[in-house]
Amino acid sequence: SAVISQKPSRDICQRGTSLTIQCQVDSQVTMMFWYRQQPGQSLTLIATANQGSEATYESGFVIDKFPISRPNLTFSTLTVSNMSPEDSSIYLCSAEYRANGYTFGSGTRLTVV
Amino acid sequence: AQSVSQHNHHVILSEAASLELGCNYSYGGTVNLFWYVQYPGQHLQLLLKYFSGDPLVKGIKGFEAEFIKSKFSFNLRKPSVQWSDTAEYFCAVNAVGYQKVTFGTGTKLQVIP
Repeated sequence: SAVISQKPSRDICQRGTSLTIQCQVDSQVTMMFWYRQQPGQSLTLIATANQGSEATYESGFVIDKFPISRPNLTFSTLTVSNMSPEDSSIYLCSAEYRANGYTFGSGTRLTVV
Repeated sequence: AQSVSQHNHHVILSEAASLELGCNYSYGGTVNLFWYVQYPGQHLQLLLKYFSGDPLVKGIKGFEAEFIKSKFSFNLRKPSVQWSDTAEYFCAVNAVGYQKVTFGTGTKLQVIP
C-alpha cells in the first residue's frame, strides 16, 4: 500500500512564528490533502493541493494563514503562519490511492506556546 | 453538502463482546464510504471501504461494514472484540466525482480485558 512520510512529527513553536510541514508520497498522485485534527475533535479538511495549480481552501481557511506548495506529484508542504495557541493541533497530509481509498501520513503534532 | 454522524462517542466493551458502531451520512447522490482506525499514538489507517458492489464489505482484523442505502448507513461490526481493538474509529464519506472526504466525529472504543 502507499506510504506517506510527514515531517516534523512534532514541534513546539513560539507564537507569531511559522512552521512548514512536509509531506512526501512514495508514488505520484494527482491530489493531496491537508487536514487538521484539533484535540478531541475529528478531522477537518484545510485544503486540496493539485500539482501545477493553486490549492483549493475550505471555508474558514485562507491562503495567507496556511500557504501550500505542490511542486511535483509526490511532494507538498503546508505552512502554518503567524501561529497562535489556537493553532495547536495535529496536521495530517493525505493522498488518494484509488485502490486503497485515502492514505494518511503519521501527522505533525504542533504545540504553540 | 455531505455530512457524517457517528452517534456513539465512547464505547466500552469487554473482550469477546460484539461490536457495532453506527454511521449515518447525508448526501443524495452516489458515495464512497470508509472506516478508518487510529490506534493510540499512531496515524489513521484504512479499515475498510465501500465503492460499489456487495454492500457487505470485509476489512482487516475481522471488521466488516454493511452499506444500507435506504438508511444512509454504514455501520461497522466485529463479532468478538479484542483488547488490541482499543482505538478511535472514524467513519468517512466521499461523494463520487468530488475529492472532498468528510469525517465523522469519531468513536472511542475501549476494550476491557
